[in-house]
Amino acid sequence: AQTVTQSQPEMSVQEAETVTLSCTYDTSESDYYLFWYKQPPSRQMILVIRQEAYKQQNATENRFSVNFQKAAKSFSLKISDSQLGDAAMYFCAYRSAGQGGSEKLVFGKGTKLTVNP
Amino acid sequence: NAGVMQNPRHLVRRRGQEARLRCSPMKGHSHVYWYRQLPEEGLKFMVYLQKENIIDESGMPKERFSAEFPKEGPSILRIQQVVRGDSAAYFCASTRGREETQYFGPGTRLLVL
Repeated sequence: AQTVTQSQPEMSVQEAETVTLSCTYDTSESDYYLFWYKQPPSRQMILVIRQEAYKQQNATENRFSVNFQKAAKSFSLKISDSQLGDAAMYFCAYRSAGQGGSEKLVFGKGTKLTVNP
Repeated sequence: NAGVMQNPRHLVRRRGQEARLRCSPMKGHSHVYWYRQLPEEGLKFMVYLQKENIIDESGMPKERFSAEFPKEGPSILRIQQVVRGDSAAYFCASTRGREETQYFGPGTRLLVL
């Protein structure tokens, strides 16, 4: 079974600075997707970024980018120019992509990000 | 273009009562996933449904929990004879088809007294 580990229960960053959230995963599959979701105090789950394992290029979405290291099974999220609105719980998630793979998302336990003004 | 809708947003039940949680997927989406989030935890998969079919229920507790996604109407997650341990946030997500990003609803917070 796949597992996702987020080793940083809490992180903090100064407004306008850069922060990196860590995520590692364990799988024997070669084809899969990785996601970062954000959960602000409203508790709505919001997709931040998605990475296909077959793509070597790291995904980027405006101030958010990932460092995907497939061999190391590492998928970190970098937030540049942090804003107060970035304060939230961040969850890393894994999903199989191959034929016969489960459609379910497997989540890490989350990292609580605080942004200091 | 409405997103995933869930209702009620908050639900309070006494032990032994039934809880019915509803999820309307995004327009054009026919795949629904239910997840449960306990306090201070990540989301845990419960069940995956397509219209009128349960595809994967490997995360569903064996007793008291059931889910359906009828041809017409929302998906329903039903919890019979609730216990305090069922208190959690229940999220549903939807996709148009396989291998697509799951978009989440706002969740239903269930509190069992």
